[in-house]
Amino acid sequence: AQSVTQLDSHVSVSEGTPVLLRCNYSSSYSPSLFWYVQHPNKGLQLLLKYTSAATLVKGINGFEAEFKKSETSFHLTKPSAHMSDAAEYFCVVTPSGGYNKLIFGAGTRLAVHP
Amino acid sequence: EPEVTQTPSHQVTQMGQEVILRCVPISNHLYFYWYRQILGQKVEFLVSFYNNEISEKSEIFDDQFSVERPDGSNFTLKIRSTKLEDSAMYFCASSPSRGTGGNSPLHFGNGTRLTVT
Repeated sequence: AQSVTQLDSHVSVSEGTPVLLRCNYSSSYSPSLFWYVQHPNKGLQLLLKYTSAATLVKGINGFEAEFKKSETSFHLTKPSAHMSDAAEYFCVVTPSGGYNKLIFGAGTRLAVHP
Repeated sequence: EPEVTQTPSHQVTQMGQEVILRCVPISNHLYFYWYRQILGQKVEFLVSFYNNEISEKSEIFDDQFSVERPDGSNFTLKIRSTKLEDSAMYFCASSPSRGTGGNSPLHFGNGTRLTVT
C-alpha cells in the first residue's frame, strides 16, 4: 500500500530564510509524487510533480523537491521564503498506473514571519 | 487559466437532510473526482467518475453518497441523509485524462465546507 508521512505538522521560518518541508513515502511500485499547496480559502494547487524523470524537480514560485529513492524521501525546499508562501503544504503519492487516486499526507502548515 | 468552481462555499444543514454539492469542472476535462477533508484529518479520496459512471470509489463512499453529471457542465455530489460525521471540506477535481497523476494532474476547486448540525 502507498502512503506518505509528512514529518512536521508546523514549520515556522523568517522571511528570506530557506524552507524545508519533509516528506517520506512508502510505495510498492514506482510512485508518482507531488506537492500541493493550499492557501486560506483556496483550492489545492499543484506545486510540482515527480514522475520518474529527473530526480530534482522544479515547481512554481521557486520551490523544488528532490526524489531520493534510497531514503524514500521527497522533501520540498525553497532557498528564500516569502510572506506569500504561508500556506498548508501536502505531499501526495499515487502509484504508477494509479489513476489519479491521490493519497495525501497530513499536511504541513508553513508560517513565514517578517 | 481555467478553474474548477464549486458552490456553495459553505453549506450548513441539519442531520438527516439531503445536500447536493455542486462543481463545474474545467470544460475539456473528462475525469472528475470528489475528495473530502474532515477537520484536522487528511484529504481523502471519495470517488472518481468517467463517461457517466463511477470508475472507482473508496469505502467511505457508501450508499448515502451518489454522484451525477446531470448536464454537460455540472458534476454533483449528493449526500442522501447527512450525519454529523459528514461535516468536512469537500473538494471537487477534474483532469483531462486518466493517465497517472504526473501526466494528468488534478485541478482542484476551492472546496465546499459542509457543516452538519
